[in-house]
Amino acid sequence: GQSLEQPSEVTAVEGAIVQINCTYQTSGFYGLSWYQQHDGGAPTFLSYNGLDGLEETGRFSSFLSRSDSYGYLLLQELQMKDSASYFCAVRRSGNTPLVFGKGTRLSVIA
Amino acid sequence: EAGVAQSPRYKIIEKRQSVAFWCNPISGHATLYWYQQILGQGPKLLIQFQNNGVVDDSQLPKDRFSAERLKGVDSTLKIQPAKLEDSAVYLCASSSLGVNYGYTFGSGTRLTVV
Repeated sequence: GQSLEQPSEVTAVEGAIVQINCTYQTSGFYGLSWYQQHDGGAPTFLSYNGLDGLEETGRFSSFLSRSDSYGYLLLQELQMKDSASYFCAVRRSGNTPLVFGKGTRLSVIA
Repeated sequence: EAGVAQSPRYKIIEKRQSVAFWCNPISGHATLYWYQQILGQGPKLLIQFQNNGVVDDSQLPKDRFSAERLKGVDSTLKIQPAKLEDSAVYLCASSSLGVNYGYTFGSGTRLTVV
């Protein structure tokens, strides 16, 4: 089976940096993905890490350490619009479906 | 490009009634997924299609849920009979073969069973 652990809630100040951690247990591993979901909206794809290291996309970065079964999403220069739920997700192989964590609700405050 | 289309957007039914959801994926996306998302939780896979064939339906409650993807494009998900615990958002997603690009989700159907 597969299981993912991420904090349920995080609060951060506008303009600051926040890191959302994700640890996973899975039989077979084919990358860690991150999705953002605003209340009432659809999950949207943020990033994918297939190999160890850091991937950067604008204000968002994602990191993976396969040896530690650990990854994180880093959000810089936080904006109020970043308030949303963030999900990490893994898959066992290239054609198997994503398994999502329970999500981290990020609240950005002024 | 057009996104993943889902309908209806909201549905309220009584328990033991039946309901159907429709999804039209992004053109050219061979893989289509139905996920169930209960409030406060992450999406949980119900079924995965590759073209019009089922790849994974291991978590689909087959005694009450059914899904089809005729002609490898549109898909419908049906619940019959519905239970109170089926109240959730039903999300359809599609993807191309490149894993780096992720899934594109539709806006979902919010089902309330009373």
